[in-house]
Amino acid sequence: NAGVTQTPKFQVLKTGQSMTLQCAQDMNHNSMYWYRQDPGMGLRLIYYSASEGTTDKGEVPNGYNVSRLNKREFSLRLESAAPSQTSVYFCASGATETYGYTFGSGTRLTVV
Amino acid sequence: AQSVTQPDIHITVSEGASLELRCNYSYGATPYLFWYVQSPGQGLQLLLKYFSGDTLVQGIKGFEAEFKRSQSSFNLRKPSVHWSDAAEYFCAVGPTGGFKTIFGAGTRLFVKA
Repeated sequence: NAGVTQTPKFQVLKTGQSMTLQCAQDMNHNSMYWYRQDPGMGLRLIYYSASEGTTDKGEVPNGYNVSRLNKREFSLRLESAAPSQTSVYFCASGATETYGYTFGSGTRLTVV
Repeated sequence: AQSVTQPDIHITVSEGASLELRCNYSYGATPYLFWYVQSPGQGLQLLLKYFSGDTLVQGIKGFEAEFKRSQSSFNLRKPSVHWSDAAEYFCAVGPTGGFKTIFGAGTRLFVKA
């Protein structure tokens, strides 16, 4: 089925470890997004990419980096994980900002 | 600054009863408004969206929402709730410049038999 695929689904990291969350979409969307979801706080935008080759900071970018590898793929990297980064991470894509987003199923990350 | 408020953290309704989830927004121009649903352990799914025109919009799964400019509201409704509607619902507004959509904190819906 067409959509947004995220890997891994679950991950446990020790403080200071690094990892990359992968995201790929097969809908030929221009825009891609990384959100984190924490209880009672809704979704907060970490980084986004309006088109291939561009990336911009969102609301909570500190401690993260991103790469828009091509039109399909948008990865999120944690260079030195901290317990405050324990969260559920969602990747999303959209044809345009006004079209609405398609979300992946999420990555549940725990940093101990 | 643009913002979205969902006043109810959680709501419980009986199966078969009607449902209304509230959403208020702050936006400097004509907004694009969305409702998403998130089932446990899943990503968000777009239910419906409003851009312009008819202020009552229909979505998937029997949901509808009404845009009221005078009240800065975009409430989600369903005439008869099913147990499978138990989920978390998010209201969102965009674009806010730079391709960013703002999400509310969500309302969790519980359905009792």
